Amino acid sequence: QVQLQESGPGLVKPSETLSLTCTVSGGSISTYYWNWIRQPPGKGLEWIGYVYYSGSTTYNPSLKSRVTVSVDTSKNQFSLKLTSVTAADTAVFYCARGRTSGYPSDAFDIWGQGTLVTVSS
Amino acid sequence: DIQMTQSPSTLSASVGDRVTITCRASQSIISWLAWYQQKPGKAPKLLIYKASSLESGVPSRFSGSGSGTEFTLTISSLQPDDFATYYCQQYNSYWTFGQGTKVEIK
Repeated sequence: QVQLQESGPGLVKPSETLSLTCTVSGGSISTYYWNWIRQPPGKGLEWIGYVYYSGSTTYNPSLKSRVTVSVDTSKNQFSLKLTSVTAADTAVFYCARGRTSGYPSDAFDIWGQGTLVTVSS
Repeated sequence: DIQMTQSPSTLSASVGDRVTITCRASQSIISWLAWYQQKPGKAPKLLIYKASSLESGVPSRFSGSGSGTEFTLTISSLQPDDFATYYCQQYNSYWTFGQGTKVEIK
């Protein structure tokens, strides 16, 4: 079955760029929409953005100026970059799959385990 | 932005109880609503999509209903494994989540 695994630095300095990768195993990255979601410690969930296997993207308007999501189909991976981070960006970051192949507006049926990224000097 | 408001924020219940969680949207989202269960240190798990469709593998004691702006998640008979935090999520316009409802042991 399809599994997702996030990877990247667990500590990022203020004003720098947070970079994470999600590796898709057990299935192809093609035809689905792939999402990033974050959850500050003890708080709720916030959708960050998605990428389609073709490379098209959509971002949360509140984060759009700082976010880039990209896909590498040859590696079955997609990635997140968040620039100019502050302590408020400290969170567990999850990658997740849109439930229906080829359909952007859907629930998320498969999630990675999450990775904590702390923004601190 | 579509805001999602869940009630209650915390719910104390016993094994075997019928539990209902409400989620309200700030504008109509038709039936584009999902429910997730999250346990401490774990990723959310999809329970219900399109307001009332049960995700494969999810026990039938979970059910969802509603349309427009008001939705409910019902657990017909609470089991020990069900103590967790539950989130609603709209996907009519981008994606936003409710603030969560923690179901704790009474």
